[in-house]
Amino acid sequence: KAGVTQTPRYLIKTRGQQVTLSCSPISGHRSVSWYQQTPGQGLQFLFEYFSETQRNKGNFPGRFSGRQFSNSRSEMNVSTLELGDSALYLCASSLGPGGNYGYTFGSGTRLTVV
Amino acid sequence: DQQVKQNSPSLSVQEGRISILNCDYTNSMFDYFLWYKKYPAEGPTFLISISSIKDKNEDGRFTVFLNKSAKHLSLHIVPSQPGDSAVYFCAASEGNNNDMRFGAGTRLTVKP
Repeated sequence: KAGVTQTPRYLIKTRGQQVTLSCSPISGHRSVSWYQQTPGQGLQFLFEYFSETQRNKGNFPGRFSGRQFSNSRSEMNVSTLELGDSALYLCASSLGPGGNYGYTFGSGTRLTVV
Repeated sequence: DQQVKQNSPSLSVQEGRISILNCDYTNSMFDYFLWYKKYPAEGPTFLISISSIKDKNEDGRFTVFLNKSAKHLSLHIVPSQPGDSAVYFCAASEGNNNDMRFGAGTRLTVKP
């Protein structure tokens, strides 16, 4: 079965621009979480969606937003990009909310802000 | 606030020996712990987990130990293989919550 698909794989944007990243979860998975990975920081939780509703949000500024569609696909938007937003953005899908279901990660979108 | 800490950024081990990766956490409300392995250019893959009601969970060559009083967990890989070379992330969550907190990762290199 297909894994978690994230598009695009690579992206270069200019400071001040905005960007939208996409994540298609595994078929049947209704939970999608987003993480940011930067060197030395590990993975930091951005937000989680389940059944089109945001369940949890990490400690990121309001420039980071997301949404989930009825088919469970999710998008993440970052507005007014800053150099520090350069990172690997990972999406993880799960059957349901919570740690007990296990997570499957996509390969990520590498965003470079110049 | 780094609630999950992996204090060793790297570890090098000889093939066939034991690899021990350590992780400490500060939030006593965490009750579910996971280890992920990540190869370059790929997303993390789930390796093994443990809930706070247990102190050990074993899956083949991988064993995770949890010491709740010390707020410490470790991943043992025995025997280590060159294919185990990757970055290992420790993660923790509180209850029914996808808000996993990850450590910064430990890069394991297994030398042939």
